[in-house]
Amino acid sequence: EVQLVESGGGLVQPGGSLGLSCSASGITVTSKYMAWVRQAPGKGLECVAVLYSGGRTYYADSVKGRFTISRDKSKNTLSLQMDSLRAEDTAVYYCARSSVLAYWYFDLWGRGTLVSVSS
Amino acid sequence: QSALTQPASVSGSPGQSITISCTGSSSDVGAYNFVSWYQQNSGKAPKFIIYDVSHRPSGVSNRFSGSKSGNTASLTISGLQAEDEADYFCSSYTNSSSYVLFGGGTRLTVL
Repeated sequence: EVQLVESGGGLVQPGGSLGLSCSASGITVTSKYMAWVRQAPGKGLECVAVLYSGGRTYYADSVKGRFTISRDKSKNTLSLQMDSLRAEDTAVYYCARSSVLAYWYFDLWGRGTLVSVSS
Repeated sequence: QSALTQPASVSGSPGQSITISCTGSSSDVGAYNFVSWYQQNSGKAPKFIIYDVSHRPSGVSNRFSGSKSGNTASLTISGLQAEDEADYFCSSYTNSSSYVLFGGGTRLTVL
């Protein structure tokens, strides 16, 4: 079955760090652009990080310098290392694959993992 | 506040048709035919249901259709079914520095 499964969410204090993981089945994380998209409570979706198939990265201004996206080919997983976390980073984080149709479409998503930043 | 504006909620009865709007600007929705829609049932992963304003990926029901006029895109669901009850998000290509823009989402209730 083709699927993405996120893990690693939880409660963390402001200023702390957390690492998210996305395990892929039925697809290879290196074959397409892979992204982390988040949804804060009561707000819309926001694409915060993208890893292009060639290794280049994109970060939203809101997380630049604090988040790092990476992949492990041997484990077929995508990761998001989140440092210097703020209350406004509280959100459900989704792993998503960009479509072959165009990079701005996401044709496969995980169910998400909740990150709560609070003291 | 999201980059694209959607109504918070819409509702309809089984068999009826409903339309969800998605309003952007001349830098995104109005400038390009690169609008997409996603359906998210409670607790499940979002599903890609419309791209390029009005095209459906393989396997998506033809009860879902999309259109655009000016800076506003729309998703229409005809012949409403109970299984259509979900959150719907729009997104658009943008010529800004953002990778992609999303709407705030619309909760569809089937009465």
